[in-house]
Amino acid sequence: GAVVSQHPSWVICKSGTSVKIECRSLDFQATTMFWYRQFPKQSLMLMATSNEGSKATYEQGVEKDKFLINHASLTLSTLTVTSAHPEDSSFYICSAISDWDYEQYFGPGTRLTVT
Amino acid sequence: AQSVAQPEDQVNVAEGNPLTVKCTYSVSGNPYLFWYVQYPNRGLQFLLKYITGDNLVKGSYGFEAEFNKSQTSFHLKKPSALVSDSALYFCAVRDGYGGSQGNLIFGKGTKLSVKP
Repeated sequence: GAVVSQHPSWVICKSGTSVKIECRSLDFQATTMFWYRQFPKQSLMLMATSNEGSKATYEQGVEKDKFLINHASLTLSTLTVTSAHPEDSSFYICSAISDWDYEQYFGPGTRLTVT
Repeated sequence: AQSVAQPEDQVNVAEGNPLTVKCTYSVSGNPYLFWYVQYPNRGLQFLLKYITGDNLVKGSYGFEAEFNKSQTSFHLKKPSALVSDSALYFCAVRDGYGGSQGNLIFGKGTKLSVKP
């Protein structure tokens, strides 16, 4: 089946630093990827839609200058949390839409803790 | 606007008993409905989906869901619960198919607890 990986699976960083999270589709190409944020015991909140070769589309209330998204290839999208603060601590999940069956496949998530 | 409602924050079931996790939806047009399961600190795992056809959909791990258009519901069911089924379950809907329309709208999730 289609597999989406995320790296790292967890990361701890200091306040003010930047963190990059990678999302890869391992055995399929994905023109479209999504980035979600999940707070404890809550549902997934869509942050942005990432389209290969173009700028990401951010949901209302999501700071595009803080959460930089780059979808440089058909198998890789990155989310960079810039100048991270403790309130950015969360579980970040990416998903990718397969270009052959148009289904959405989810990565295992990245736990970010900002101290 | 598309939306999904999961009215129960938590469902408690004894092992071996049947379980139901409720979901209702609101969409314009034909609904594409999904159920996902999430274990602690893990991503979402696909269970099943309804696109068209038979209203009873069978999925992974013995789960099934029944699409009811008149009640706009898509409840998740399993005849005999296992302790290992304990997890967070999300219902989701997608209006449209493929490309940039492929984003899923998730319910708030229902925690399923199966006791021995």
